Amino acid sequence: SQKIEQNSEALNIQEGKTATLTCNYTNYSPAYLQWYRQDPGRGPVFLLLIRENEKEKRKERLKVTFDTTLKQSLFHITASQPADSATYLCAPSAGTDKLIFGTGTRLQVFP
Amino acid sequence: DAGVIQSPRHEVTEMGQEVTLRCKPISGHNSLFWYRQTMMRGLELLIYFNNNVPIDDSGMPEDRFSAKMPNASFSTLKIQPSEPRDSAVYFCASRGLAGGLYEQYFGPGTRLTVT
Repeated sequence: SQKIEQNSEALNIQEGKTATLTCNYTNYSPAYLQWYRQDPGRGPVFLLLIRENEKEKRKERLKVTFDTTLKQSLFHITASQPADSATYLCAPSAGTDKLIFGTGTRLQVFP
Repeated sequence: DAGVIQSPRHEVTEMGQEVTLRCKPISGHNSLFWYRQTMMRGLELLIYFNNNVPIDDSGMPEDRFSAKMPNASFSTLKIQPSEPRDSAVYFCASRGLAGGLYEQYFGPGTRLTVT
């Protein structure tokens, strides 16, 4: 069955450093992969989408990579700030409709 | 736009009671998704609609769950009878061409507690 793995342990980093979150998937070949941010008590918010033919995508301080050989996506936040503290969810998808979400990684940026 | 609207925000009910969750998608969006989130299982897709038609309900746990979308601006998720294991946060999300082909916009969720 399709499986998505994100580091269940919280990632704690110091302000100003680069945070790197990992998303690994097995048993399917997504055409694209999305990353969402979720704050406590709120619904997920879309951040970035990367397609299978794109190796890297950037948006401001965010960078996502997609390695279809390794079946892995990396999500980077450069110059991290305490406001970046949240849970980050990855969602690979084989088509346009159905998303399967990972369980998320909680990021804590401390001053 | 007000975004996706869900009601109620919190619901506490006793086992065996009927629960109805409501969702108003973003105007102009043609796809609507119902998710359930728990600590153990994460965010799971229950059912989704395109143009008010149910496309995939394979995530609906059992016959106690049903969902309807009578028009483009309203959807309900009903649980009858409810059980304690249904306790979770239920999210509604919508998507449409105006908001980008793939990204989904989530509502604030309904926290359901079944005692």
